[in-house]
Amino acid sequence: ETGVTQTPRHLVMGMTNKKSLKCEQHLGHNAMYWYKQSAKKPLELMFVYNFKEQTENNSVPSRFSPECPNSSHLFLHLHTLQPEDSALYLCASSFTPGQDLYGYTFGSGTRLTVV
Amino acid sequence: AQKVTQAQTEISVVEKEDVTLDCVYETRDTTYYLFWYKQPPSGELVFLIRRNSFDEQNEISGRYSWNFQKSTSSFNFTITASQVVDSAVYFCALSEMTSGTYKYIFGTGTRLKVLA
Repeated sequence: ETGVTQTPRHLVMGMTNKKSLKCEQHLGHNAMYWYKQSAKKPLELMFVYNFKEQTENNSVPSRFSPECPNSSHLFLHLHTLQPEDSALYLCASSFTPGQDLYGYTFGSGTRLTVV
Repeated sequence: AQKVTQAQTEISVVEKEDVTLDCVYETRDTTYYLFWYKQPPSGELVFLIRRNSFDEQNEISGRYSWNFQKSTSSFNFTITASQVVDSAVYFCALSEMTSGTYKYIFGTGTRLKVLA
């Protein structure tokens, strides 16, 4: 256990479904992140939240909608996804964005398959 | 622009061999941070080390060692006497200040397979 918990671990959804990914941390971190990990591609930063405020959106399609109700919880709402959205979605947290002494703490990810 | 290159896509070694994972970075900033993470099959990335741009001392932690050379913009990672449990994907990452916030960029990762 890393201290960052992601649910579900695996998700299969149709292109017309709506689902949500959840991330939770009780490490006292103020920044939370969503990353997408596709095969043979670098980790792609999707969203950054710092003190519950979204500070970065890396041109992510609107079919991905993040929500951060408090510094401990982060959601990624999914709707009308495409097969190319199939990937491992990783949540991470840190005290501050980008240069923490102990890096980011990652969850184990949600393996998403869009059919 | 930031860039992190891990040219080795996959490496296979036999247990007890030493192995070095290469990381080359590009940055225009003088203050930046470099990281290594390990991603075991369970999926989470595990932080291994952070190095700031002003500290070129090499570091050793058990069987792990890191060689930071600013002259060649490299931050290589060596595992001595590799073990099967070292099998994982290893990511190098660079963080530098951009527009008032730190931007973090990962390399594409190197998959290490340690064979018994």
